[in-house]
Amino acid sequence: EVQLVETGGGLIQPGGSLRLSCAASGFTVSTNYMSWVRQAPGKGLEWVSVIYSGGTTHYADSVKGRFTISRDNSKNTLYLQMNSLRAEDTAVYYCARDRRYSTNWYSDYWGQGTLVTVSS
Amino acid sequence: DIQMTQSPSSLSASVGDRVTITCRASQSISSYLNWYQQKPGKAPKLLIYAASSLQSGVPSKFSGSGSGTDFTLTISSLQPEDFATYYCQQSYSTPFTFGPGTKVNIK
Repeated sequence: EVQLVETGGGLIQPGGSLRLSCAASGFTVSTNYMSWVRQAPGKGLEWVSVIYSGGTTHYADSVKGRFTISRDNSKNTLYLQMNSLRAEDTAVYYCARDRRYSTNWYSDYWGQGTLVTVSS
Repeated sequence: DIQMTQSPSSLSASVGDRVTITCRASQSISSYLNWYQQKPGKAPKLLIYAASSLQSGVPSKFSGSGSGTDFTLTISSLQPEDFATYYCQQSYSTPFTFGPGTKVNIK
């Protein structure tokens, strides 16, 4: 059974850093595309980042240069390192497994989310 | 970046109604369009991928259509468990932007 469990959220001051983890089971992180998506309180979904199976990464402009997506193959875990955090980064962060149909990509499994609150 | 819009932003419907939600991309995205359902406090759930392909386990009352810039999600007969917010997402190019969502309320 595919499962994704995010951890690492919490309250952090503006300018601080936080690392989110997404432990996967039932499949291999390194052979899949993996994404992070966030949702600010009461707002819609915002795509944050993706890491391809080959290691290529992409980011939303809003987090580029501040966030880094990575993975640890030995732990079958996805990470999101978040630096220089701002109040507008406050959100529930979801990790998701991406699958391919032809050349179309979609997120078929999602974690339960972890809340990051950036506030002094 | 590709911008996604959805209409309406919210709607009220009754059990048994046929509901259609529209999603529009700011440029052609072929069929690189996915639909998700989200209920309060829960993670999104994939309904439709590649514009019209039904995800495994999703009831056939959900259907998607469209290509290019204009897409629709249809719920053929609304049931109580379908009251939720629906999001489209383009996967044509990064950033894989989402639409703002359509909230389906009980009338």
